[in-house]
Amino acid sequence: EIVLTQSPATLSLSPGERATLSCRASQSVSSYLAWYQQKPGQAPRLLIYDASNRATGIPARFSGSGSGTDFTLTISSLEPEDFAVYYCQQRSNWLLFTFGPGTKVDIK
Amino acid sequence: EVQLVESGGGLVQPGGSLRLSCSASGFTFSSYAMHWVRQAPGKGLEYVSAISSNGGSTYYADSVKGRFTISRDNSKNTLYLQMSSLRAEDTAVYYCVILSGPFDYWGQGTLVTVSS
Repeated sequence: EIVLTQSPATLSLSPGERATLSCRASQSVSSYLAWYQQKPGQAPRLLIYDASNRATGIPARFSGSGSGTDFTLTISSLEPEDFAVYYCQQRSNWLLFTFGPGTKVDIK
Repeated sequence: EVQLVESGGGLVQPGGSLRLSCSASGFTFSSYAMHWVRQAPGKGLEYVSAISSNGGSTYYADSVKGRFTISRDNSKNTLYLQMSSLRAEDTAVYYCVILSGPFDYWGQGTLVTVSS
């Protein structure tokens, strides 16, 4: 099973600042990595799929990069609505998808 | 409009059983693999189980293997999760999910509480 680790666990930033979130896989997942945002009481929302493709309706301030085992989600300038928990998910092994433990982005 | 509506959650005693259902609409159900993802209160997302589009292949997380069974009825556009030998650590919101590139949809979730 592919294990994902995310860092940092918590990121404390102010609105307008740049956020950089990391996701590392225990083995190569090629570019089959997705990023989700989750707010309290809501289902997760897909932000990025296949490492760097923004999902429909996702603002351009969200971008993803990486391949193989190391991936990054960047939020170029934090808006108030961006404070949430972010999960990465690998989709390399068919029907064996796994999630990372999450990074909480909170207000400094 | 794609809709995934879970049902069947509730309070069950340890060792008990429960069957979750997910009614799908707005897309060709029989063309997509389907997934169950759960989230314990205050915790992260856990990938639980998956089934191929025709039901011929299935996957289970180690934490539920041998206790949960995923199935689907493509004639009824419905996904199921039969849960048995339930434990306190199975307490979670269970989501029915489509995970296919940008075609990514989640139900509202159904809460399963395992407690005496």
